[in-house]
Amino acid sequence: ETGVTQTPRHLVMGMTNKKSLKCEQHLGHNAMYWYKQSAKKPLELMFVYNFKEQTENNSVPSRFSPECPNSSHLFLHLHTLQPEDSALYLCASSQERNTEAFFGQGTRLTVV
Amino acid sequence: EDQVTQSPEALRLQEGESSSLNCSYTVSGLRGLFWYRQDPGKGPEFLFTLYSAGEEKEKERLKATLTKKESFLHITAPKPEDSATYLCAVVGSSNTGKLIFGQGTTLQVKP
Repeated sequence: ETGVTQTPRHLVMGMTNKKSLKCEQHLGHNAMYWYKQSAKKPLELMFVYNFKEQTENNSVPSRFSPECPNSSHLFLHLHTLQPEDSALYLCASSQERNTEAFFGQGTRLTVV
Repeated sequence: EDQVTQSPEALRLQEGESSSLNCSYTVSGLRGLFWYRQDPGKGPEFLFTLYSAGEEKEKERLKATLTKKESFLHITAPKPEDSATYLCAVVGSSNTGKLIFGQGTTLQVKP
């Protein structure tokens, strides 16, 4: 059982749909992250939250909207996505911002 | 700009054939270098953190080393279950909290 849980594991959505990805960490960490992993590309950092405050937005399009209600939960709200947004979306957490991050199993998103 | 390059992109080994994976990095003020293992369709699994040149960490058949310009992940007598993609990432002083990843090395170990 991983310390970082993501739901759903798989998601297929149309370009006009609205959906949300959920992440929960059971490690007592203070920082949480969203990463995007596309085929043949390095992991791309999307958002960073430290003590529930967003500290990084890596030029992510507004069709991706993060929410961090507390230090244990992180959401990624999706709306009007494009087919090129299809990827594996990974959530991670760390005790502090410069320490090792622990990842969830990811959500495989397909936009049709 | 902080950058990480991993080589080779893919590596095929016979069971028991030792080898090394390379991670070259350019970073302003290294705060930490991290190695992860990723199996297909799963999230990366943390392996090691290295903080300063000369540091070494070991776990079973894996050993990670660090110099001022690169890190190596040595795999001794690999087994088929070591097959995975190995990712390297760095955090620098100019990008605190931001892991910069390389593209990974996909390792296949044949029995």
